[in-house]
This record gives sequence, structure tokens and C-alpha cells, in this order.
Amino acid sequence: AQSVTQLDSQVPVFEEAPVELRCNYSSSVSVYLFWYVQYPNQGLQLLLKYLSGSTLVESINGFEAEFNKSQTSFHLRKPSVHISDTAEYFCAVSVNKAAGNKLTFGGGTRVLVKP
Amino acid sequence: DAGVIQSPRHEVTEMGQEVTLRCKPISGHDYLFWYRQTMMRGLELLIYFNNNVPIDDSGMPEDRFSAKMPNASFSTLKIQPSEPRDSAVYFCASSLQSSYNSPLHFGNGTRLTVT
Repeated sequence: AQSVTQLDSQVPVFEEAPVELRCNYSSSVSVYLFWYVQYPNQGLQLLLKYLSGSTLVESINGFEAEFNKSQTSFHLRKPSVHISDTAEYFCAVSVNKAAGNKLTFGGGTRVLVKP
Repeated sequence: DAGVIQSPRHEVTEMGQEVTLRCKPISGHDYLFWYRQTMMRGLELLIYFNNNVPIDDSGMPEDRFSAKMPNASFSTLKIQPSEPRDSAVYFCASSLQSSYNSPLHFGNGTRLTVT
């Protein structure tokens, strides 16, 4: 069975500073990787995903994540955060093509952007 | 599209009472998922449906939990009898296909408190 570890439960960061959220997974087969974001009192929303091809994937709001197969990682980065990026971020993995949306989530990383 | 709609947003009940959570998926989506989110265990997949048929209920905690999907536009998650350890945020999500190319769309969740 696959598992996902998010090493940091909370990350405080100042506005306009860079942030990196770490995600490591364990799986013996090929994986599909996702980052979801949860704003306060809302459901999760897909931020970005890696399915195949280029190992660097980007979102529309400036986040990027890089798939590193040798390190079994999928870290999320943003070079300059905004107050509005305050949210909880979840890394997730799927290994099953037939049930690609049966995701295993990490424990989440809460990002608090300070002015 | 109104998105995935869950009701109620908040539910407070006493131990032993029956609780019913409701979900209306996005129209046209064939897959529906129920997740539970707690501080201790993070996000857990409870059950998911394909075309109204339960496919995998291995995440359902115990017999006190049951889920139904009588038609394509409605699903319920029932807990009977409820216990304080059931307190959590319950999310419903839907997707167009099972494929990993089809992102999950989450509702805003139902926060359940069992006293």
C-alpha cells in the first residue's frame, strides 16, 4: 500500500518570502501525484498534479512542484507568497489507473502567511 | 455549476442519536466519494460510488456507518448510533471519471460534533 508523508505540519512564512512544503511518498509502483489546497471552512481544491512527462508542474497561481522519482518526493514551492495563500495544503498519491481518484492523502501542512 | 453541495454545514448531536449527512454531486459526475477529516487521522476515504453503486467501502469504520446513493444526484452517509469519536468534518467529493485526469471536486464539508 502507498503512503504519503508531509514532514511539516505547520509552516509560518512572511509575505513575499518563498515557501517550500515537503512531501514524500512510498510506493512500489508508478504513482500519480497531486497537491490540493484547503482554504478555511472550505473543501479541498486541486492545485496541481503530476501524471507523466515533465517532472516540473505549475499551477496558475504561482506554485510549482517537482517530481523526483529517486527521492520519492513531490515538494511544493512558491517563490513569493501572498496573504491569500494562507491555507492547508495536502499532498496525495494514486497508484491505481482503474481508480485514479482513489487518493491517499498526507497529513497536511498548514501555511500561515504573516504580513 | 453550483459545485458539490453538502448539508448540513454543521451538526451537533448527542451520543446515541442517528445522524444523516447529505451530498449532491456535480451533475454528470459518475463518481462520488465520502471522506472524513480529523486532526488525529487526517483525511480518510470512507467509501466511493461509481454510477450509484458502492465500489469500495473498506474505509467505513464500522457497522454504525452506512452510505447510500439512491440516484445520480444524491447520496447520504448515516451514523447510527453516533459516538463522540465520530466528531469530524465529513467531505463529499465527486469526479467526472475514475481517471486520474479527472480531479476531485469537494464540497465544503459537514462539521459533526457528537457530545
